[in-house]
Amino acid sequence: GENVEQHPSTLSVQEGDSAVIKCTYSDSASNYFPWYKQELGKRPQLIIDIRSNVGEKKDQRIAVTLNKTAKHFSLHITETQPEDSAVYFCAASKGAVSNTDKLIFGTGTRLQVFP
Amino acid sequence: DVKVTQSSRYLVKRTGEKVFLECVQDMDHENMFWYRQDPGLGLRLIYFSYDVKMKEKGDIPEGYSVSREKKERFSLILESASTNQTSMYLCASSLAGTGNEKLFFGSGTQLSVL
Repeated sequence: GENVEQHPSTLSVQEGDSAVIKCTYSDSASNYFPWYKQELGKRPQLIIDIRSNVGEKKDQRIAVTLNKTAKHFSLHITETQPEDSAVYFCAASKGAVSNTDKLIFGTGTRLQVFP
Repeated sequence: DVKVTQSSRYLVKRTGEKVFLECVQDMDHENMFWYRQDPGLGLRLIYFSYDVKMKEKGDIPEGYSVSREKKERFSLILESASTNQTSMYLCASSLAGTGNEKLFFGSGTQLSVL
């Protein structure tokens, strides 16, 4: 089955710097790749997603890139702010019935942004 | 705004007890999911359901069962709780179909099995 690996497990950056989190997936049939953010004590929330027919997607300070050949995708956060501090999860899915079916998550990256 | 409500925020049970975790969503979503979250292991899918009375095993179904008698409610059952089932349990829901993939999570239930 699908396996998603996520690195690094922890990441500390200075406010204003960029942060990059990388994920690799094993199943070449995967076609949907969301990123979820979980602030301390709160529920995970979708922040951005990308489909396999797109190489890059941006939303203000966050962007996701996808390399289908290498089977990896990355989250890029620019101009980081203290409120970006959270655990970030990548995920992958083949979307058998809907794209949420069998969504396999990575192990998470704890991002700390220091003022 | 979609609301996914889990009945308990914290739960303490004894080994061997039967445990019910309840989840209710108010947006008529077809899909519902149960994940468990453990440090360093991320979110692992236990069971999911894409319709009333339908259920599919996720990646770690052993020791769990589910029930979906009504569209809005998805219950996770631990038939005989064990200490290795101590974890944070997250329920989620979503609409069916491509373009509706966003998962809406509940606040979670932190279960401790003693």
